[in-house]
Amino acid sequence: AQTVTQSQPEMSVQEAETVTLSCTYDTSESDYYLFWYKQPPSRQMILVIRQEAYKQQNATENRFSVNFQKAAKSFSLKISDSQLGDAAMYFCAYRSPYNAGNMLTFGGGTRLMVKP
Amino acid sequence: DGGITQSPKYLFRKEGQNVTLSCEQNLNHDAMYWYRQDPGQGLRLIYYSQIVNDFQKGDIAEGYSVSREKKESFPLTVTSAQKNPTAFYLCASSPETRKGNQPQHFGDGTRLSIL
Repeated sequence: AQTVTQSQPEMSVQEAETVTLSCTYDTSESDYYLFWYKQPPSRQMILVIRQEAYKQQNATENRFSVNFQKAAKSFSLKISDSQLGDAAMYFCAYRSPYNAGNMLTFGGGTRLMVKP
Repeated sequence: DGGITQSPKYLFRKEGQNVTLSCEQNLNHDAMYWYRQDPGQGLRLIYYSQIVNDFQKGDIAEGYSVSREKKESFPLTVTSAQKNPTAFYLCASSPETRKGNQPQHFGDGTRLSIL
C-alpha cells in the first residue's frame, strides 16, 4: 500500500513571499498521479495542481508549481507571491492507475498561515 | 452549475441512533467516494462506488453503510456500531476512467457530532 507523508504540520509565510510545502510518498509503482488539494476554513477541498509521474516536466498553475523528483519520491508545492487567501490546509495525495477504484491516498496535511 | 451537494451541513447523533448523510452530484460522474476527516488529520476513505448498485469498502468501513441506487446519489449511514462518529465527512466524485489524472471533486462536507 502506498503512503503519503507531509512532514510540516504548520508553515507560515509573509504576504508576497514564496513558500514550499513538502510531500514524500512511498510506492513501488512506476506510473501514478499526484495531486495537491487546498482546504480553506470553509472546509471544501479544492484542487490546486496535479502531476503525472510519466511527465518529467513540473506542473505549473499560475502562482503554484511543483518540484517533482521521482527518484526521491518527492512532490513539493511552491507558492509564489503568497496572498492572504492562500491560508489553508494543504493536502498532498497519491493515486494509483492500477487501483480499480481510483482512490486517493492523502497525507496528513500542512496548515499554511499567511502573515500580512 | 454542476457540483456535489452534501446535506445537512451539521448533524447531531444520539447514542444508539443511525444517521444518514446525503450526497448528490450532477456532474454525471460514475465514481463516488466517502471520506472521514478528523481534526488536524488527512482524509481516510470509508466507502467508494464505481457504478450503480456496486460499492466497495475503504480503509475504515466498520460502523458505516452505503447504497448506490442512482448514479447521482451516494448516501452514507453512520450506524450505532460506529462508536466514535464525531468527525467531518466529505463526499467526492470523479469520472470512472483509466486515466487516473482526473481529479476528484468534493462537496462542502457534513460535520457530525454526538449529543
